[in-house]
Amino acid sequence: NAGVTQTPKFRVLKTGQSMTLLCAQDMNHEYMYWYRQDPGMGLRLIHYSVGEGTTAKGEVPDGYNVSRLKKQNFLLGLESAAPSQTSVYFCASSYSNFAQGDLYGYTFGSGTRLTVV
Amino acid sequence: GENVEQHPSTLSVQEGDSAVIKCTYSDSASNYFPWYKQELGKRPQLIIDIRSNVGEKKDQRIAVTLNKTAKHFSLHITETQPEDSAVYFCAANTGGFKTIFGAGTRLFVKA
Repeated sequence: NAGVTQTPKFRVLKTGQSMTLLCAQDMNHEYMYWYRQDPGMGLRLIHYSVGEGTTAKGEVPDGYNVSRLKKQNFLLGLESAAPSQTSVYFCASSYSNFAQGDLYGYTFGSGTRLTVV
Repeated sequence: GENVEQHPSTLSVQEGDSAVIKCTYSDSASNYFPWYKQELGKRPQLIIDIRSNVGEKKDQRIAVTLNKTAKHFSLHITETQPEDSAVYFCAANTGGFKTIFGAGTRLFVKA
């Protein structure tokens, strides 16, 4: 049982390049999230998904796109990287069932440290 | 918009002392309040949570209290140990799909 796995762990991009971050979970969770973590700013939600084939915008979605073609995978794409996107990116998944009011904490991946130069 | 404020940003205690971290939230519809611990270079990990129908919850040396009227909740760590040194994040689920995180508290436990 691997939990939540993120790849890659580190990446350096040049401004304007594109890349995709992959998140995979083996816990059969419906809900998946992408956060970015910057010093002094906690964790900010980029996009999230409440099930296969669905995605929605979070607090800071600009410059990012996501896809959830399979329940276990949630992809984060950077179309044209900018230095402001230098950050640590965390994927998370949750067992929560919001419709029934069952709320549980997140399981996070190990993070991707992205530097845009 | 929804907001979670966390204080202090840095906390230094002597080993064996207690540590208290406080958070306030703005959305009265918030109903779930998890706490995460993040060690240096690692992922955040859930350490305790509390739901809006409970005022206090304890797990060994860690306890969380919730005051819904005042819209604040706190993390209490007793008998602190060096391995408690980490960044702690509070969070509030706003009744929908989103969880809003506080900015974090860096806890140093001095041996």
